[in-house]
Amino acid sequence: AQSVAQPEDQVNVAEGNPLTVKCTYSVSGNPYLFWYVQYPNRGLQFLLKYITGDNLVKGSYGFEAEFNKSQTSFHLKKPSALVSDSALYFCAVSGLGDYKLSFGAGTTVTVRA
Amino acid sequence: EPEVTQTPSHQVTQMGQEVILRCVPISNHLYFYWYRQILGQKVEFLVSFYNNEISEKSEIFDDQFSVERPDGSNFTLKIRSTKLEDSAMYFCASSEGGSEDTQYFGPGTRLTVL
Repeated sequence: AQSVAQPEDQVNVAEGNPLTVKCTYSVSGNPYLFWYVQYPNRGLQFLLKYITGDNLVKGSYGFEAEFNKSQTSFHLKKPSALVSDSALYFCAVSGLGDYKLSFGAGTTVTVRA
Repeated sequence: EPEVTQTPSHQVTQMGQEVILRCVPISNHLYFYWYRQILGQKVEFLVSFYNNEISEKSEIFDDQFSVERPDGSNFTLKIRSTKLEDSAMYFCASSEGGSEDTQYFGPGTRLTVL
């Protein structure tokens, strides 16, 4: 069975500071890893994914994530956070032959001005 | 940019009633999905659908649930006899291919069962 853990319910940072949202996963075989963002009363918006290749993945809105196989982690990062980055962030995992995403519980990011 | 659409945005129903949630996936996508998110909880997979068949379903997706692609554009989720615990946000998603392809989500339908 596959699963995702997001160990922090909330992350608070000041605008302009680096932002990190943590994610660890468990899956049989090679993982397919995704980050989504959810704004209030909106659907899930895709940010980025790791399938294979370079461990550092760049995505939308200046976000990036680093795949670390030995630590089974896929942390989301942004070098300089904006107030508009305040939202709920979900990490998700899939695997070869899977037809579903397994989501973490989500991390609420608050960026203060 | 193509997007997944869902109707209605909010559905209120009485316990025991049937509801049908509708989705229009992105037009060239072949895989379709339903997820739900109970308030304050994580997003949970319900079912995936490809080539007019269910590819995979979760334990949540019991006999009360069914999915259908009635025409070339719509993808529906039917709940036959709603329960209070079915109250949730239901998200439809679609992807071009299977497991490694990005799933794009619709804005959701908030289902309230009274």
